[in-house]
Amino acid sequence: GENVEQHPSTLSVQEGDSAVIKCTYSDSASNYFPWYKQELGKGPQLIIDIRSNVGEKKDQRIAVTLNKTAKHFSLHITETQPEDSAVYFCAASGGEGFQKLVFGTGTRLLVSP
Amino acid sequence: ETGVTQTPRHLVMGMTNKKSLKCEQHLGHNAMYWYKQSAKKPLELMFVYSLEERVENNSVPSRFSPECPNSSHLFLHLHTLQPEDSALYLCASSQNERTGMVYGYTFGSGTRLTVV
Repeated sequence: GENVEQHPSTLSVQEGDSAVIKCTYSDSASNYFPWYKQELGKGPQLIIDIRSNVGEKKDQRIAVTLNKTAKHFSLHITETQPEDSAVYFCAASGGEGFQKLVFGTGTRLLVSP
Repeated sequence: ETGVTQTPRHLVMGMTNKKSLKCEQHLGHNAMYWYKQSAKKPLELMFVYSLEERVENNSVPSRFSPECPNSSHLFLHLHTLQPEDSALYLCASSQNERTGMVYGYTFGSGTRLTVV
């Protein structure tokens, strides 16, 4: 089955800096890669996603890149703000059988003013 | 009400109690999920229902019993739990296409369960 690894587990940046979170997946048939943000006391919220027919997608300050050959994808946050502080999860889905998401272990991002 | 709603938000129960968690989605999705979230562990998929039929049970202990009476409601019945079952239980929904196209999940805010 699919296995997703996520790094780093924690990331501290200064406000205004960029942050990058990386994930690798094992199943080459996976074709859908969402990213979730989880704030304290809340459930994960979808912030951006990418499908395997696209190499990069951007939405304002966040972007996701996908390298199918290397089987890794990354989340990029530019001009970070304190409200970006949260836990971020990557996930992968696709391949044969019933479609379900397999999640990474999460990255705790702390943006200091 | 919009999105995915979970009740209760917090639950404390003894090991001999029986309780139920409730999830309701107002998005018209056809698949619902139960996930367990423990500290420093990845999200653990517990149960998947697609079109009200249980599709997957990831070897969850029988003290957890799911119920999906229709595509909008999902329950997790709990009995004789252990302290290690204390966690955040998340419900999610999605629209699964027969073509295999996958869409992102919408999660509820979760139920924080403490077993004493």
